Amino acid sequence: DAGVIQSPRHEVTEMGQEVTLRCKPISGHDYLFWYRQTMMRGLELLIYFNNNVPIDDSGMPEDRFSAKMPNASFSTLKIQPSEPRDSAVYFCASSLTATDTQYFGPGTRLTVL
Amino acid sequence: QKEVEQNSGPLSVPEGAIASLNCTYSDRGSQSFFWYRQYSGKSPELIMFIYSNGDKEDGRFTAQLNKASQYVSLLIRDSQPSDSATYLCAVEYTGGFKTIFGAGTRLFVKA
Repeated sequence: DAGVIQSPRHEVTEMGQEVTLRCKPISGHDYLFWYRQTMMRGLELLIYFNNNVPIDDSGMPEDRFSAKMPNASFSTLKIQPSEPRDSAVYFCASSLTATDTQYFGPGTRLTVL
Repeated sequence: QKEVEQNSGPLSVPEGAIASLNCTYSDRGSQSFFWYRQYSGKSPELIMFIYSNGDKEDGRFTAQLNKASQYVSLLIRDSQPSDSATYLCAVEYTGGFKTIFGAGTRLFVKA
C-alpha cells in the first residue's frame, strides 16, 4: 500500500481565499483523522471519521473549517475564507480503530498571506 | 491541566548515552499509549506502543508504563545522532474514544 496520500504538499494562498486539502487513507482503515500542527499549539486533532461518518469535530476551530468524507477512499478539509492564522501543517492520518496506531500522510504545508 | 504533558525540551544527550523522555496523562481510564517520532519537516511515525504496566523493549527502545502514577516514558539506549527528532507521546482518551497527543519533546544527540 502506498500509505496515506495527501495533496497538495504545499499551498500558498491569500487571505480570504478558499483552500481545499485532500486525503486518501490506507485501504481498509475505517478511521480517518485530520490534524493541524503549529509550533505554538503542537499537534491538534480537528476532526475524525469512522466509516465515512464524522464522529468528533470538537477540534474544528470555527465555522470557516469544514470536512467531508464522501467515500472510504477520500476526504477533504476546506477552509473558507482562509486567514493568516490558519497557516500550519495539516496532517491526515488513518487507522484500523479509533485508538490503534495511526499512519500519517506527508502533510500539507499551508501558508496564508 | 493538559490531558497529555511532556517537557518540550530540548533534551540534549551525547552519542552513546541513554535518553529518557517522559510523559504524564490525566485520563485514569486510558489503556493505550504510544510513542511517535517526528523528524523535522516530516510526519509522525510510530516507534512503540504499550498497554500493560511495566517495561516493553524493542531494540534500543524501551517504553515504561506506570498507570498508578499516570506516567509513561521512553528510554533510548546508545543514542545516535539519527535519533535527533521530536518525540510525541500519545494517549487513548476514553472520554471520546480518540488519541490525544502531547506537545512533544525535542531530542538532540550530539556526535
